[in-house]
This record gives sequence, C-alpha cells and structure tokens, in this order.
Amino acid sequence: DTAVSQTPKYLVTQMGNDKSIKCEQNLGHDTMYWYKQDSKKFLKIMFSYNNKELIINETVPNRFSPKSPDKAHLNLHINSLELGDSAVYFCASSQMGGENGYTFGSGTRLTVV
Amino acid sequence: QQQVKQSPQSLIVQKGGIPIINCAYENTAFDYFPWYQQFPGKGPALLIAIRPDVSEKKEGRFTISFNKSAKQFSLHIMDSQPGDSATYFCAASSGFQKLVFGTGTRLLVSP
Repeated sequence: DTAVSQTPKYLVTQMGNDKSIKCEQNLGHDTMYWYKQDSKKFLKIMFSYNNKELIINETVPNRFSPKSPDKAHLNLHINSLELGDSAVYFCASSQMGGENGYTFGSGTRLTVV
Repeated sequence: QQQVKQSPQSLIVQKGGIPIINCAYENTAFDYFPWYQQFPGKGPALLIAIRPDVSEKKEGRFTISFNKSAKQFSLHIMDSQPGDSATYFCAASSGFQKLVFGTGTRLLVSP
C-alpha cells in the first residue's frame, strides 16, 4: 500500500527518557514534515525536509532533533522528555510545488509520565 | 499568533443538513487553501482545496466558497451523513509550503 507509515503508534515513557519516532513514505514525495497535535487538536508544524535538507525549523526546543537519512524517511528523536511533550505527532509528505496536498501518517501518541 | 482562525469549534447537525465551517486569514501571501478531514485515531486527510483565483469549488457533496477581499473561506457539506462526523481543519499556505492549520471544528451529524 502506498502510504506514510510511522512507528510506533503508541509510546508511553517516563520523564527524562530519550525516544525516537520513525516515518517512511513510499509515495515518491520529495518533502516530509513533522506536525504536533496537542490535546485541543491544534496542529502545529515542527520541521520540514526537502530532499534530505532541512527547510523549516519552527520554534521547537532543541531537545527535538529530526533526521532524514534519505528523502523517503524522516525520523524524530526527542531527548530528556518532559510532561508537556505528551501529544500526537504526525508525519506527512508532499511533492514540492504540487497541489495534491499533504499525506499524513496515522500518528504516534506519545505519553510522558 | 493564530494565522488562520476557524469557527465554530463544534457543530451538530441532523442528517441531510448543511453544516458550514468558516475560516479567516490575515496573510495575503497565502495562495493555497485546503480542507482536511480527520477521524479519531487517524491522520488528517485532504478533502478539497482551492486557489484564490476562483470563488467556489465543488467536489461531490463538499464545496469551498472563497472570498478574497474579505480573506475568508468556508466549507459546506451538502446532504450531510453520519459518516461525515469528524474533525475538519482549514489550512493555508504560500506556495504549497508550510501549511498553517486552523483550530479545527468537531462535526457531529446525528441520524
């Protein structure tokens, strides 16, 4: 199936831990994104990569570090997790300049306890 | 700073009704206005999108109305069905990059 897939779907961890979320797309898109959806459902962009190059880096704590090994993968590593990091994190992809919009993954629900 | 303001926050309509969700923006550089639909436990999915050179776009039961001078756009769902119950997000971007989302509208269509 063509899709944006992210793992894990659920992640429960203690404060202070380091965790990673992985994302892969097989749509042939050249741009990938990380969005954070908070408890009020608000979607906010965190990062964007185009052909492995970082093009958007919003005001995000530097405990969050994205890594794009190739244009089909964009991972998110989070150091020293805090309670406020609890949210649903969505990976998405698109074709730069294309009108087909973003394709989102199903999300990773991160709970920090 | 909320660049795209969306209302209402929630909406209940009866089956067959026409829910209308409104969005307003400030940034005149925005030139792409999509709507996304999100079901519980799923990621947002593109529903319909419009460029500012047209005032209306229709796809099936979904219609976007766009008012460039007022910097407003809205989503109308004709003959709404219980299966349309979801959260709807408007969004905007300049040049298809960095989509900025509205705050979402939770729609419930009662049978």
